[in-house]
Amino acid sequence: QQQVKQSPQSLIVQKGGISIINCAYENTAFDYFPWYQQFPGKGPALLIAIRPDVSEKKEGRFTISFNKSAKQFSLHIMDSQPGDSATYFCAASRQGGSEKLVFGKGTKLTVNP
Amino acid sequence: EAGVTQFPSHSVIEKGQTVTLRCDPISGHDNLYWYRRVMGKEIKFLLHFVKESKQDESGMPNNRFLAERTGGTYSTLKVQPAELEDSGVYFCASSQRTLVYQETQYFGPGTRLLVL
Repeated sequence: QQQVKQSPQSLIVQKGGISIINCAYENTAFDYFPWYQQFPGKGPALLIAIRPDVSEKKEGRFTISFNKSAKQFSLHIMDSQPGDSATYFCAASRQGGSEKLVFGKGTKLTVNP
Repeated sequence: EAGVTQFPSHSVIEKGQTVTLRCDPISGHDNLYWYRRVMGKEIKFLLHFVKESKQDESGMPNNRFLAERTGGTYSTLKVQPAELEDSGVYFCASSQRTLVYQETQYFGPGTRLLVL
């Protein structure tokens, strides 16, 4: 049973385009939704995160959109650059206890020059 | 500030052998997590330490896996005996333990384990 579903599995975008990755979750107890970026040979690194009390969070070219009623959240990368080529993971967790992260399967993003 | 380090970076062993993975968290981080990513699957939680105590080990697949965190510093994850399905990338992550909501988990580069 996969608690966080992520799509697409892979994404190819031209430089300057918009990259959109979507995630859906099932557990309504989740209250923290981070996105991690992973480059080959490296570990995942926190990119941006959101809590369900806001519907959108923007940091530079990266924006999270959050729809609590639909239990969905997405990552938008504006003006995508070749350096953004990486694997992106959405995740979810809930406060209290271990606060373990539940991850989606990942999206491999390729930005062509 | 040094990040989370893991050793070894790669390990190739035969089925039935024993392997021990090591994780050194960021200094001062009381929370230490182990995760695993099997090829093509999502990154899955294995267990969580708070200092030297196991807070949550609900993700440990079976009793062939043993994790320790002596003295609340570095942690080891031993697989004994290893099976083919144990192959994957094992990540360690650490975070501060404060009253602040959801501290960021910082991940190490992972140990790539291949069981033949």
